[in-house]
Amino acid sequence: GAGVSQSPSNKVTEKGKDVELRCDPISGHTALYWYRQSLGQGLEFLIYFQGNSAPDKSGLPSDRFSAERTGGSVSTLTIQRTQQEDSAVYLCASSPRQGGSYEQYFGPGTRLTVT
Amino acid sequence: AQSVSQHNHHVILSEAASLELGCNYSYGGTVNLFWYVQYPGQHLQLLLKYFSGDPLVKGIKGFEAEFIKSKFSFNLRKPSVQWSDTAEYFCAVKPDSNYQLIWGAGTKLIIKP
Repeated sequence: GAGVSQSPSNKVTEKGKDVELRCDPISGHTALYWYRQSLGQGLEFLIYFQGNSAPDKSGLPSDRFSAERTGGSVSTLTIQRTQQEDSAVYLCASSPRQGGSYEQYFGPGTRLTVT
Repeated sequence: AQSVSQHNHHVILSEAASLELGCNYSYGGTVNLFWYVQYPGQHLQLLLKYFSGDPLVKGIKGFEAEFIKSKFSFNLRKPSVQWSDTAEYFCAVKPDSNYQLIWGAGTKLIIKP
């Protein structure tokens, strides 16, 4: 079946502009995660959605970052007033969270470059 | 705080050499353990996982990992590496107290042909 998809694959934006990154999780997966991967760094957790529960936003680095998940499926990560330090690959992952499985399935990521 | 440590950030080996990548975590309770791999230009994908039972876990492409609870370790091994194993490898741990995976910083593995 289809995996996790993300769009756009690459985004170049000017400092100060807003950007929206989209994630389509695997159908039926109730959990959705956003991560940031900077050059040479590991995965930095940003936000987590599980079903209809309130999201865990504890990883968002500033109030310029927000995310929503509509209808328990597609998610959008929004970065307002982008800064150069926001340049990174933004990864989305989904997980079935069934049968005790916390295995995460990753999308290809969106490479964001802020100039 | 819960953390995952991957000791080697870069490893360079020749083909047919044996591989062991270290992963240690800090958490005293029950854990689920994962190794993910990211080949150049590709998605992160699951290599293997441990939930319970036999602490020696076998994954894809000849990889295996051993969970040693007393050492809080889950090292990744492969007896004979190939050039196609060149990738970045990430260890991740899910503590039973948390729904998130805690990630290591990754190890870049380069195999010389």
